[in-house]
Amino acid sequence: EVQLVESGGGLVQPGRSLRLSCAASGFTFDDYAMHWVRQAPGKGLEWVSGISWNSGSIGYADSVKGRFTISRDNAKNSLYLQMNSLRAEDTALYYCAKDKYSSGGSAFDIWGQGTMVTVSS
Amino acid sequence: QSALTQPASVSGSPGQSITISCTGTSSDVGGYNYVSWYQQHPGKAPKLMIYEVSNRPSGVPDRFSGSKSGNTASLTISGLQAEDEADYYCSSYTSSSPGVVFGGGTKLTVL
Repeated sequence: EVQLVESGGGLVQPGRSLRLSCAASGFTFDDYAMHWVRQAPGKGLEWVSGISWNSGSIGYADSVKGRFTISRDNAKNSLYLQMNSLRAEDTALYYCAKDKYSSGGSAFDIWGQGTMVTVSS
Repeated sequence: QSALTQPASVSGSPGQSITISCTGTSSDVGGYNYVSWYQQHPGKAPKLMIYEVSNRPSGVPDRFSGSKSGNTASLTISGLQAEDEADYYCSSYTSSSPGVVFGGGTKLTVL
């Protein structure tokens, strides 16, 4: 079964850091680009970051550029998001999503169930 | 990276057809055929319904179709069914940054 399982969310104070993980199974992980997409409570979807199959191409939303770092470990079938200098507006459900393509054609055909990040003092 | 523009809500009766628009710019929707549409039911993860403007993934009913003209993409659902009631989001590759941009979402109500 094709599956993405996120972990690492929780309650964190403003200015602190958090690292999200996404474990992939049921498909050849290193054949595809991967992404993080977030959804604030009651709001719409926001693309956060994406990484190509070999980590050669990486992109970030302007809202997180310089604070968040995406990475992947193909040997461990895992995707990561290091989030630093967290702000209240980063509070959201963070989804891991698989791209249909290796370089990032931007169609997300498999989604995890998400991990909640709450930034509050 | 400005969000794509979608109507906040649309509605239709069972059996009818509805269309949801998604307006961007020449840097995203108008410049690339990488427009996708997602369906999201409450409390669930999004589901890919259309990719590359008009392609349906395996398992998506052919009642769902996509198109594009200029800077505006559209999702049409024909033969509306109760289970189609959900939030719908468009997305596009964007050369700004570069990356991906989503629309604000459209709530579909089946009357």
